[in-house]
Amino acid sequence: DTGVSQNPRHKITKRGQNVTFRCDPISEHNRLYWYRQTLGQGPEFLTYFQNEAQLEKSRLLSDRFSAERPKGSFSTLEIQRTEQGDSAMYLCASSLRWDLDEKLFFGSGTQLSVL
Amino acid sequence: QQQVKQSPQSLIVQKGGISIINCAYENTAFDYFPWYQQFPGKGPALLIAIRPDVSEKKEGRFTISFNKSAKQFSLHIMDSQPGDSATYFCAASIHNAGNMLTFGGGTRLMVKP
Repeated sequence: DTGVSQNPRHKITKRGQNVTFRCDPISEHNRLYWYRQTLGQGPEFLTYFQNEAQLEKSRLLSDRFSAERPKGSFSTLEIQRTEQGDSAMYLCASSLRWDLDEKLFFGSGTQLSVL
Repeated sequence: QQQVKQSPQSLIVQKGGISIINCAYENTAFDYFPWYQQFPGKGPALLIAIRPDVSEKKEGRFTISFNKSAKQFSLHIMDSQPGDSATYFCAASIHNAGNMLTFGGGTRLMVKP
């Protein structure tokens, strides 16, 4: 499978715990995006990387959220001290910056449930 | 703030009919308008996209109509099929400023056999 891969698919955690999600983009894609989607809503942009540089992070929901893409390949999204309001689907997408329309390809997401 | 408003929230169409979903945006700097299809348990998948320099784009059974002066665009699905039953999202972005998509709230489409 050469699409965007996200792990784990589901994560259940207790309030106050830290969680980390991983995204493996399509191999030749140099941009990687994180979105959050709550039930019945459209995805909400969080942050994005071009190669290893995080070019936009002001939309991260709070300072409990952080993301890395250390070698310009896979990325991780960490949520510290989780709250029940963090329960959502976390989506990763990748794209090729020089593609004419820069189509975004989404993974299937990580569903987070905070108890 | 909701910069892209989508309607209707849900839509039921008979097989073979035309499904029409509408979106309106506020930010005049937006210059890229894609539509995504999402099935339960899956991420959104790009269907079709348009730039504001054209008023219509057609790919197979899917057509985007774009009205720049009204800041509105719509998706038409011709000859709707039960397999088209999914949630559809419009989106908008400033393409050369990071292509960070702002999504509408979604339309749940059901196509009855």
